[in-house]
Amino acid sequence: DSGVTQTPKHLITATGQRVTLRCSPRSGDLSVYWYQQSLDQGLQFLIQYYNGEERAKGNILERFSAQQFPDLHSELNLSSLELGDSALYFCASSGPDRGIYEQYFGPGTRLTVT
Amino acid sequence: AQSVSQHNHHVILSEAASLELGCNYSYGGTVNLFWYVQYPGQHLQLLLKYFSGDPLVKGIKGFEAEFIKSKFSFNLRKPSVQWSDTAEYFCAVNAPWGNQGGKLIFGQGTELSVKP
Repeated sequence: DSGVTQTPKHLITATGQRVTLRCSPRSGDLSVYWYQQSLDQGLQFLIQYYNGEERAKGNILERFSAQQFPDLHSELNLSSLELGDSALYFCASSGPDRGIYEQYFGPGTRLTVT
Repeated sequence: AQSVSQHNHHVILSEAASLELGCNYSYGGTVNLFWYVQYPGQHLQLLLKYFSGDPLVKGIKGFEAEFIKSKFSFNLRKPSVQWSDTAEYFCAVNAPWGNQGGKLIFGQGTELSVKP
């Protein structure tokens, strides 16, 4: 157990819908990262938040957005879902400050879009 | 574009065989390097990391990796694998400059199957 929690574990929804994935970081970690894992694209970085502010952005689609709340949990919102959005979405957390530290990954949310 | 390349997609070994998984990256500056393992149905777990110092890094479960800056490589090794090492292994690089933050760029992964 890494200390990072994600809910829900599984999500099945239809095309065009909107979903929200939730992540709680390890105690003391200020950074939260979101990654997408799919068979064709592998593990792709989406976005990083540090203490409530966006710090780095990857190839995140405009239909996707994220935020980190004052209690440091984070949510990833996926809208206008397409079949190709089906993937495993991981959250990771790291570091008590702005330095670079190893990231600890949560169990993931498996999203299936039908 | 920045990238990480893992040479082997699928490696099959017998128990007690030695393991070496290749990883090369395409960044020219300072990097932080990681190997993660993903057991079937589980999340990514950190095996080892390199930030600076001794280029030979020891991790958990008997794994080690060597950073060779001139070759842009960070290969993972284990002298004797066990059936329980069956998993997918990911090399990852962080380039801690500019607006990169802490983002990790992952290789494609290497699936390791160990026969008992």
